[in-house]
Amino acid sequence: KAGVTQTPRYLIKTRGQQVTLSCSPISGHRSVSWYQQTPGQGLQFLFEYFSETQRNKGNFPGRFSGRQFSNSRSEMNVSTLELGDSALYLCASSLRTDSYNEQFFGPGTRLTVL
Amino acid sequence: QQPVQSPQAVILREGEDAVINCSSSKALYSVHWYRQKHGEAPVFLMILLKGGEQKGHEKISASFNEKKQQSSLYLTASQLSYSGTYFCGTENPCFGNNRLAFGKGNQVVVIP
Repeated sequence: KAGVTQTPRYLIKTRGQQVTLSCSPISGHRSVSWYQQTPGQGLQFLFEYFSETQRNKGNFPGRFSGRQFSNSRSEMNVSTLELGDSALYLCASSLRTDSYNEQFFGPGTRLTVL
Repeated sequence: QQPVQSPQAVILREGEDAVINCSSSKALYSVHWYRQKHGEAPVFLMILLKGGEQKGHEKISASFNEKKQQSSLYLTASQLSYSGTYFCGTENPCFGNNRLAFGKGNQVVVIP
């Protein structure tokens, strides 16, 4: 079974721009969660999508948004980029959205904001 | 909400044992353990559930003390491949299902 894929793997943007990241979950998985990883804050939960609906949201500003399509693929958008948005953005897929789910991470998208 | 992991770093020789810990101030549904090597994605190791059930994919054992809201990961007869940063992710009923709060990680270095 193919794993979680994320595109692009690397992105360089400038302040004020916007960016869209993509995540394709493991086949059959319907839940996609997004995390931001930085050296200072570690891994922080952004949001989770299941059946095209946002199920949960972390403590990030409204500039961070996402969506999920009917094939479970998900996109994450960050508008008006700031230097502090530079991070590794990871998505994780799981079979369901209830508790006790194994979450499998993709390779991540490394975003650099100049 | 973020769990606390200790020790921050461990250096051990191949074949030695080590224990790394994850502690939360909140009640937990489950604890998830991941290992991340430099430049790679976190790899799922194990999930520990309330009631004692474990689901894992590695020959690494762990425990979950629900009352103390703590989990420990046991690296037994360590191998060079065990090197990496170990993260625990905790699932807390107050913040919803399937949402993990991660600790800052335990860096493990196994030397020959």
